[in-house]
Amino acid sequence: QVKLLQSGAALVKPGASVKMSCKASGYTFTDYWVSWVKQSHGKSLEWIGEIYPNSGATNFNEKFKGKATLTVDKSTSTAYMELSRLTSEDSAIYYCTRGYYGYNFDYWGQGVMVTVSS
Amino acid sequence: DIQMTQSPASLSASLGETVTIECRASEDIYNGLAWYQQKPGKSPQLLIYNANSLHTGVPSRFSGSGSGTQYSLKINSLQSEDVASYFCQQYYNYPTFGGGTKLELK
Repeated sequence: QVKLLQSGAALVKPGASVKMSCKASGYTFTDYWVSWVKQSHGKSLEWIGEIYPNSGATNFNEKFKGKATLTVDKSTSTAYMELSRLTSEDSAIYYCTRGYYGYNFDYWGQGVMVTVSS
Repeated sequence: DIQMTQSPASLSASLGETVTIECRASEDIYNGLAWYQQKPGKSPQLLIYNANSLHTGVPSRFSGSGSGTQYSLKINSLQSEDVASYFCQQYYNYPTFGGGTKLELK
């Protein structure tokens, strides 16, 4: 069955960067876009951006350009997101998710809690 | 950006009741709308896509409708396992989500 397994929680200092992973299994990784979604404090959701593993093509929410970098490793079916210059506003849960017929997100990782604190 | 306004923000209903959650887009999104359910401590789960298509495995008591800028999610015969937060999401443009509706049992 389809699974997206994300890396563990991270505690990072302000100004630092964090890189998280999302390992896909149960489907052909290169056939579907992988999106990343932010959820702050149990509130609503924000789409950060997406990457197409087959080509590495990316699209971003303007708000997260310069903040998020998306990459993939096709050999291990793993997507990565790096967040840079972290502030308290970046403390949130970050999900990876698979795009189904575009931007319908049919499978989600379990989420990565990022806490930015000195 | 297309803004999604969801109402109500919270809702209390009894078992067996029918519940409706509304979502209004700031412009026409041409049925590019999905609904998600998120239980506490869990990831969101896709319920409805293309405004009215039931995702695989989702119980038939869930249904979606609407067009243009106005959409709704209906839950017939509310069950205890439906206690969750619900989010709408448009994808006519790059995805944006509604603020969520927290559904509790009365």
